Amino acid sequence: SSELTQDPAVSVALGQTVRITCQGDSLRSYYASWYQQKPGQAPVLVIYGKNNRPSGIPDRFSGSSSGNTASLTITGAQAEDEADYYCNSRDSSGNHLLFGGGTKLTVL
Amino acid sequence: EVQLVQSGAEVKKPGESLKISCKGSGYSFTSYWIGWVRQMPGKGLEWMGIIYPGDSDTRYSPSFQGQVTISADKSISTAYLQWSSLKASDTAMYYCARLAEAGAAAGTSDFDYWGQGTLVTVSS
Repeated sequence: SSELTQDPAVSVALGQTVRITCQGDSLRSYYASWYQQKPGQAPVLVIYGKNNRPSGIPDRFSGSSSGNTASLTITGAQAEDEADYYCNSRDSSGNHLLFGGGTKLTVL
Repeated sequence: EVQLVQSGAEVKKPGESLKISCKGSGYSFTSYWIGWVRQMPGKGLEWMGIIYPGDSDTRYSPSFQGQVTISADKSISTAYLQWSSLKASDTAMYYCARLAEAGAAAGTSDFDYWGQGTLVTVSS
């Protein structure tokens, strides 16, 4: 399969927990990575592999996967987490990479 | 410190050619894949292709195959994205990014370092 599907928009109350999902057949074979992008900025890697955070990423960000769905969870969302979030992975052949369509997170 | 520094914004006319660049520093440029990502105005990220500067092995997204050319000059640690004939629909921000896993056989998908982006505007 050559698609990763994300919900276009999700909202969360300040301090609450939110899960952003990414669906695709290739996720049964490959981990998803997650990126945060704020307006006018380049994307930033927030989660990679099974559930790894690059240096400097707060531990309120976590990742998980089950079947064809990968999830990014923000536990205790902060105002600064308001951004677009993208998943990416490889396609089923492994030769190409894919991005999901992105999820706009609003923190209320 | 790992850095990817991209060339500056470009304004071109339809039909013109263009080559934008991405210079890596602070790491072994030949050991990591470099990818190119398009972001059209107000839209999401699209993977265009990726190159391994060590041997210039290049993979293209089916959506961009034949539309662009990705290359690298390892002697100056620079990757390139070029068009032979631009269209208005090529107007977008273009990012280069480093695949986090080293080696030609890298099988992951995470991009750990990104350039600042190059805005390409194509208008008559």
